[in-house]
Amino acid sequence: AQSVSQHNHHVILSEAASLELGCNYSYGGTVNLFWYVQYPGQHLQLLLKYFSGDPLVKGIKGFEAEFIKSKFSFNLRKPSVQWSDTAEYFCAVTPRYSSASKIIFGSGTRLSIRP
Amino acid sequence: DGGITQSPKYLFRKEGQNVTLSCEQNLNHDAMYWYRQDPGQGLRLIYYSQIVNDFQKGDIAEGYSVSREKKESFPLTVTSAQKNPTAFYLCASSLRGNLEKLFFGSGTQLSVL
Repeated sequence: AQSVSQHNHHVILSEAASLELGCNYSYGGTVNLFWYVQYPGQHLQLLLKYFSGDPLVKGIKGFEAEFIKSKFSFNLRKPSVQWSDTAEYFCAVTPRYSSASKIIFGSGTRLSIRP
Repeated sequence: DGGITQSPKYLFRKEGQNVTLSCEQNLNHDAMYWYRQDPGQGLRLIYYSQIVNDFQKGDIAEGYSVSREKKESFPLTVTSAQKNPTAFYLCASSLRGNLEKLFFGSGTQLSVL
C-alpha cells in the first residue's frame, strides 16, 4: 500500500532562515506528488505539484520542491522564510495510472516562524 | 463563488447517536472525498466517490457511511459504531478522478458530549 512519511512534526525557525521539509513516499509505480498548506484558520490549499518533467518544481510564495526518484523523496524548500509562512504543511501522493484515484497524505509538519 | 460548503462548522454527538455531516460543491467536480484530521496524524481518507451512485472505502471507513445520490452532495454519517469520533472532518473534491488538484471545504469539528 502506498504511504507518505513526514518525519518532522514541528519545525521552528527564525525569519529569513532557510527551510527544508522532508517527505518520503512508498509506492512501486509512477506517482504524482503534491504539497498542500493549511494557514491558521484557512482551507487547505495546493502549494505545488509534480506530475512529470523537470523534477524541480516551483510553487506559490517562493516555495519549491525537488523530486528525487531514487530516494522516493519530494522535499519542500524555501530559501528565506517569513512569519506569514507559519502553517501546517502536508505532502501527498497518488498513483498516476491507478483507477483507484485516491490521494494519500502525510501526517503533516507544523511550521512556526519566530518574528 | 464556486466552492465546497461543509456544515455545520461545529457538531456535538451524544453516545449512541448517529450524526451526518454535510458537504456540497458547485464546482461540477466528479470526485469527492472525506478526510479525518487528527493532531499528529495528518489527513486520513475515510471514503471517496468518483461518480454519482458509487463510492469506495478509504483507509479508515469503519464506523462511517456515505451516499452519493447527487453529483453536488456527499454527506458523511458518523455512526454509533465509530468509538472515537472526535476529530476535524474535511471534505474535498476534484475535477477528475486523477486528482490534479483537490479543493477543500472549511471543515466540521465533531466532538462527543
